[in-house]
Amino acid sequence: QVQLQESGPGVVKPSETLSLICTVSGDSISTYYWNWMRLPPGKGLEWIGSIYDKRDTSYNPSLNGRITISIDTSRNQFSLNLNSVTAADSAVYYCARLHYYDAGDGFDIWGQGTLVTVSS
Amino acid sequence: EIVLTQSPATLSLSPGERATLSCRASQSVSSSLAWYQQKPGQSPRLLIYGASNRATGIPARFSGSGSGTDFTLTISSLEPEDFAVYYCQQRSNWPTFGPGTKVEVK
Repeated sequence: QVQLQESGPGVVKPSETLSLICTVSGDSISTYYWNWMRLPPGKGLEWIGSIYDKRDTSYNPSLNGRITISIDTSRNQFSLNLNSVTAADSAVYYCARLHYYDAGDGFDIWGQGTLVTVSS
Repeated sequence: EIVLTQSPATLSLSPGERATLSCRASQSVSSSLAWYQQKPGQSPRLLIYGASNRATGIPARFSGSGSGTDFTLTISSLEPEDFAVYYCQQRSNWPTFGPGTKVEVK
């Protein structure tokens, strides 16, 4: 059974860097696209970015180049760095797997989510 | 950016009733559309991919239809555990989600 688990600090100061790790168990991290999403309070879901096998990354253009996603295959983990955070970056952050089916694709496995608050 | 709009924002229904949720894309996404269910305090759950295909373990009362810019999620007969927020999501350029439809108990 594939499981994802987010970890990282619950509070980040304004202008600093938000860093989260997603640990993947039950599957190899080398065989799927791995994603970060977030859910700000009172708002809808937002895709942050994805990574595949170290070299293939894709980011949400609306986050203005503040994102870095990397992968550690030896630990079966991938990570998110979001720099220059403001209060608008406060959200529940999720990691998720993108699964390709014959007739489409979807984010089929999600972590439980971790709440990050930007506050001094 | 492809913008998804969902209607209605809130749907008030009773158990056993039929729920019809709409998702409209600002430009064609072909059949690259998925639906998710999210309950308070839980992660989203994939229901439908490719506009009309149920994900593993999803009951048959959930069905999806549509292509291009107009999509529908139908719950044929609401069970108590179906009251939740439902999001549509496309992945034609980069993934975007709709704002959600809350299905609440009438």
